[in-house]
Amino acid sequence: GAGVSQSPSNKVTEKGKDVELRCDPISGHTALYWYRQRLGQGLEFLIYFQGNSAPDKSGLPSDRFSAERTGESVSTLTIQRTQQEDSAVYLCASSLARLGEAFFGQGTRLTVV
Amino acid sequence: AQSVSQHNHHVILSEAASLELGCNYSYGGTVNLFWYVQYPGQHLQLLLKYFSGDPLVKGIKGFEAEFIKSKFSFNLRKPSVQWSDTAEYFCAVNTNAGKSTFGDGTTLTVKP
Repeated sequence: GAGVSQSPSNKVTEKGKDVELRCDPISGHTALYWYRQRLGQGLEFLIYFQGNSAPDKSGLPSDRFSAERTGESVSTLTIQRTQQEDSAVYLCASSLARLGEAFFGQGTRLTVV
Repeated sequence: AQSVSQHNHHVILSEAASLELGCNYSYGGTVNLFWYVQYPGQHLQLLLKYFSGDPLVKGIKGFEAEFIKSKFSFNLRKPSVQWSDTAEYFCAVNTNAGKSTFGDGTTLTVKP
């Protein structure tokens, strides 16, 4: 597709379950970001991938959060043992790193009940 | 590490009022600067960007922003806002390292 695609668009899970969120970036984009956006709040940086470099994981809030990226393609964000405070919209963005303009997906709305 | 500060968390204006949203960044090197907008129920999209050249850049829907290097600022302006400008606005900076940093966002509410 032409844009950043995220799946699922909505996810309701029980507290304590693991969830996996997927992001398909724009083809050729070397940089990929994950952000979290809680209701009425700004963007919270989670993790940044750039090519084959080691990812910048400085934004991951706890060791329950992890992310992987296969080469310069799909990325998955995994949240283990979900908690209610994990409820938020998880946004993925990709860019040609040198230019920096980020293209965002529609996000995955995660609700932990 | 770079950081971005947006001074106004929530701005409320009447239609036809002028808008200025503040954005300051901290980084000593060359930067690319962006404003993104998120309309209610929609995904984040680019409003305008500055890479080099004329420090006054124009974007979509009548928005403009001025890069003032000496002040490390990139404020967003619009002479006359419309109800449809109600949205959340994010300033972002991208450096030679390639990573973008976003501000916390400013919610703009325009009253009809």
